[in-house]
Amino acid sequence: IAGITQAPTSQILAAGRRMTLRCTQDMRHNAMYWYRQDLGLGLRLIHYSNTAGTTGKGEVPDGYSVSRANTDDFPLTLASAVPSQTSVYFCASSDSSENEQFFGPGTRLTVL
Amino acid sequence: GQNIDQPTEMTATEGAIVQINCTYQTSGFNGLFWYQQHAGEAPTFLSYNVLDGLEEKGRFSSFLSRSKGYSYLLLKELQMKDSASYLCAVRDSNYQLIWGAGTKLIIKP
Repeated sequence: IAGITQAPTSQILAAGRRMTLRCTQDMRHNAMYWYRQDLGLGLRLIHYSNTAGTTGKGEVPDGYSVSRANTDDFPLTLASAVPSQTSVYFCASSDSSENEQFFGPGTRLTVL
Repeated sequence: GQNIDQPTEMTATEGAIVQINCTYQTSGFNGLFWYQQHAGEAPTFLSYNVLDGLEEKGRFSSFLSRSKGYSYLLLKELQMKDSASYLCAVRDSNYQLIWGAGTKLIIKP
């Protein structure tokens, strides 16, 4: 793989179900990010990780959790999905918080 | 609060020049980014400004005025493939990116 991959590409989920969105990068970037993108709104940061073993909350963290066990992987978990979490989710990485971010292809999630 | 403003939509003609403006009010400033996003795809990096002035990169240029909280992206010799959304983002005092909602650019032949 080259760059950032996300899985699944799209998912329809029943409300109340647990879901993990996967993100893997092979660029050895230290920093990783999860955003959601909704129509008419800018990208909003959910959680971030500046380096393996550390995570932080972004602008809209409620209902989401993340882990960063190693450099490459940064999964996002919805413990109990709600319809307002219907969105396109993008994972991104950068070699530091000072440089440009590279984005994965996105996961389109629909919660019914 | 933090705010990034861009026009929602713009239309331009193939071969012409278009300027997309971005104004911002953020807690701190550590650089401004422009990204391009084609429909259904991920954003891709276009340019970065941290000092006042113009940065030129081929057909695309980006300008920054920190005192005015203002930037623009200039696209020259427009091509049909330039039809996309253009996202302005400011890195704040916490080194997090604050994003505008994006400007959808429609190119007509």
